[in-house]
Amino acid sequence: GENVEQHPSTLSVQEGDSAVIKCTYSDSASNYFPWYKQELGKRPQLIIDIRSNVGEKKDQRIAVTLNKTAKHFSLHITETQPEDSAVYFCAASNGNEKLTFGTGTRLTIIP
Amino acid sequence: KAGVTQTPRYLIKTRGQQVTLSCSPISGHRSVSWYQQTPGQGLQFLFEYFSETQRNKGNFPGRFSGRQFSNSRSEMNVSTLELGDSALYLCASSVTGGGYGYTFGSGTRLTVV
Repeated sequence: GENVEQHPSTLSVQEGDSAVIKCTYSDSASNYFPWYKQELGKRPQLIIDIRSNVGEKKDQRIAVTLNKTAKHFSLHITETQPEDSAVYFCAASNGNEKLTFGTGTRLTIIP
Repeated sequence: KAGVTQTPRYLIKTRGQQVTLSCSPISGHRSVSWYQQTPGQGLQFLFEYFSETQRNKGNFPGRFSGRQFSNSRSEMNVSTLELGDSALYLCASSVTGGGYGYTFGSGTRLTVV
């Protein structure tokens, strides 16, 4: 089955700087890669997703890049703000089976 | 529109008991998936239901079971509870399932004592 690895497990960034979280996946059939943000005590929320026919997608300060050859995708957050502090999960799916999650990255924005 | 509703929000049970959790998906969503979230293991897939049929199943023991009703509401049951079953149980609904466009509920926090 699919295996998703996520790094780093914790990340501290000065407010205003950029943050990058990286994931790798094992199943070459995976074609959908969402990212979820989970604030303390709250539900995971989808913040951005990308499909395998696209190399990059942006939404304001958030961007995701995908390298299908390397089976690698990344989340980039620019101009970080205190409200970006949360746990971020990457995930992968082939559309027919479950969504497999990475182990999460705890992002802390330092004021 | 209403989001995904999970009940109850909190549960405390004793070892050996059984528990039933409920998940009402977003209107029009036919897929409901269940995940167990623990600090050490992250989000682990339990099962997915689509139009009342179990479509996918994770690697959990048979004590974990579920079902889906004709209105797409889903229930998850855990029998013979163990201390290690303490976790946040999340359900997610989507139109098509298969991992696409999941919207999560707020979860049920189960504590087994």
